[in-house]
Amino acid sequence: GAVVSQHPSWVICKSGTSVKIECRSLDFQATTMFWYRQFPKQSLMLMATSNEGSKATYEQGVEKDKFLINHASLTLSTLTVTSAHPEDSSFYICSARDLQGGEPLHFGNGTRLTVT
Amino acid sequence: GDSVTQMEGPVTLSEEAFLTINCTYTATGYPSLFWYVQYPGEGLQLLLKATKADDKGSNKGFEATYRKETTSFHLEKGSVQVSDSAVYFCALVDSNYQLIWGAGTKLIIKP
Repeated sequence: GAVVSQHPSWVICKSGTSVKIECRSLDFQATTMFWYRQFPKQSLMLMATSNEGSKATYEQGVEKDKFLINHASLTLSTLTVTSAHPEDSSFYICSARDLQGGEPLHFGNGTRLTVT
Repeated sequence: GDSVTQMEGPVTLSEEAFLTINCTYTATGYPSLFWYVQYPGEGLQLLLKATKADDKGSNKGFEATYRKETTSFHLEKGSVQVSDSAVYFCALVDSNYQLIWGAGTKLIIKP
């Protein structure tokens, strides 16, 4: 089945540094990728929708200058957490929608970010 | 707007017990419905789905039937195992193909 690879699976960084998370669709083309954030014991919160070749659409309350999203190709989207702070520590998950159809969405395994 | 409501957890059961996790939704039209599972420390996996009324999704012994009359999509399994311990999310796809999530239900299975 369709596979989405998310890397790294976990990362620890110091406050003030930036971290890049990659999301790749391995065996299909994804025009649209979604980035979610999950707080402990809570459901997923959609951060932004990323369309290949265009600017991402951010959900209300998500700082676009802090969470930079790039969707340069049909198989790769990246999320960069800039000038990370401890409150950015969270579980980030990407998902991709197959070019062939609107559903279901395929998910990466997530990235556990810890900012010290 | 569209929404999904699922039973609060955690749900704690003994091995081989019968499982039901309730999920109801509100939506315009007839959205596709999904159950996703998140094992500890991992991302999300699609467990099953149903795309129209009376459809039954099934996978790994889990089942859920799309009930339009009660706007429900309850997850069931006849005999749970310790390995089923995870968080289960009910979701629907809205008209913009965005997933609307339930809050998640943590399932704990004791041997």
